[in-house]
Amino acid sequence: AQSVTQLGSHVSVSEGALVLLRCNYSSSVPPYLFWYVQYPNQGLQLLLKYTSAATLVKGINGFEAEFKKSETSFHLTKPSAHMRDAAEYFCAVSDFTGNQFYFGTGTSLTVIP
Amino acid sequence: EPEVTQTPSHQVTQMGQEVILRCVPISNHLYFYWYRQILGQKVEFLVSFYNNEISEKSEIFDDQFSVERPDGSNFTLKIRSTKLEDSAMYFCASKGVAGGQETQYFGPGTRLLVL
Repeated sequence: AQSVTQLGSHVSVSEGALVLLRCNYSSSVPPYLFWYVQYPNQGLQLLLKYTSAATLVKGINGFEAEFKKSETSFHLTKPSAHMRDAAEYFCAVSDFTGNQFYFGTGTSLTVIP
Repeated sequence: EPEVTQTPSHQVTQMGQEVILRCVPISNHLYFYWYRQILGQKVEFLVSFYNNEISEKSEIFDDQFSVERPDGSNFTLKIRSTKLEDSAMYFCASKGVAGGQETQYFGPGTRLLVL
């Protein structure tokens, strides 16, 4: 069975501050992990993915995430928040087939000017 | 860049009515999916479709749901008799090939409201 837990349904940061969105996973098989972003009234856009290669994954818009097996975590970070980063962020896990994704409940990021 | 499209963007229907949600996956993709997101909740897997048949489905995908690929481009989700609890955002996704390097690409969603 696979699942992800996102700690913190709402996160607020000041513009220019570090963004840290937490995701912990549970998987009985080697996981593939993803972060998606959802802007208001839009679909899910892939930010980055981990598929058993490098543990530090760089994505679009300056985001990155690090896979830590010992902590079963895949936290999303960005050194400096921008106003346009305000959105809903979803962590997801799948097995190697990528045929079924399990999403977290999402974290709403607010960026304060 | 190729993208998944969905129509309509919004749909309002009366309880008990049938609705069909439409999706146009990325043209060379072979795997197709439907997900739903009830307001304020997580995105939930409904069904996956490959080679003109359902490959996996969740407990949510009961007899009132069906999927079809009526032609070479569209992928539809039909809800036969809608219930109030079917109100949600429905996302379509598609994937190119088997193997973990492939990612599901999501459409913008259809927001369904059942009154």
